[in-house]
Amino acid sequence: QVLLQESGPGLVKPSQTLSLTCSVSGVSISSGTYYWSWLRQPAGTTLEWLGRVSSTGGINYRPSLNSRVTVSLDTSKNHFSLDLRSVTAADTAVYYCARYFSGWDSDYFDYWGQGILVTVSS
Amino acid sequence: DIQMTQSPSSLSASVGDRVTITCRASQSISTYLNWYQQKPGKAPKLLIFAASTLQGGVPSRFSGSRSGTDFTITITSLQPEDFATYYCQESYMAPYTFGQGTKLEIK
Repeated sequence: QVLLQESGPGLVKPSQTLSLTCSVSGVSISSGTYYWSWLRQPAGTTLEWLGRVSSTGGINYRPSLNSRVTVSLDTSKNHFSLDLRSVTAADTAVYYCARYFSGWDSDYFDYWGQGILVTVSS
Repeated sequence: DIQMTQSPSSLSASVGDRVTITCRASQSISTYLNWYQQKPGKAPKLLIFAASTLQGGVPSRFSGSRSGTDFTITITSLQPEDFATYYCQESYMAPYTFGQGTKLEIK
């Protein structure tokens, strides 16, 4: 059974760095079939993809956040991480980690963490 | 970015009803369209991928279709557990945009 679990601080001060970790069980993040992704959802709105990384070195980021976001893998711990720098109140959201399957003719987010609320406030 | 226009934004229906939700892409995305269900306080759940393929374990009352850049999800014979918010998502290119969501409520 594939399980993902987010962890990290629930409160971050403005201008600081938001850092989250997603622990994965039931599958190795070294598998090249998947991308390991971060998304977020501000209260009452839709979902927004932030970035993804694969064990084969593929990395993509949301263009509007490209200069502030880093996603990285730690295969020894079977987890992956998100760093979002210089946060403002607009970065307050529930953050999700998810597995992204990339196939011949279909790509989708098939497994998700439960989500973690991160509030940016002084 | 590809824009995904989802309608309606909300929908009231009764148990046993048949409902359809539509999503229109701003450009051709082939069949790179997925549907998710989200209940309050929970993560989204993948229902349909590649426009019409049911994810394993999803009841057969859910179905998806495509006509050009228009996509629909249909739920036949609504069950109490189906009342939730539904999102479409394009997986054709980054940033993998989600629709604004359709909140399906009990009438």
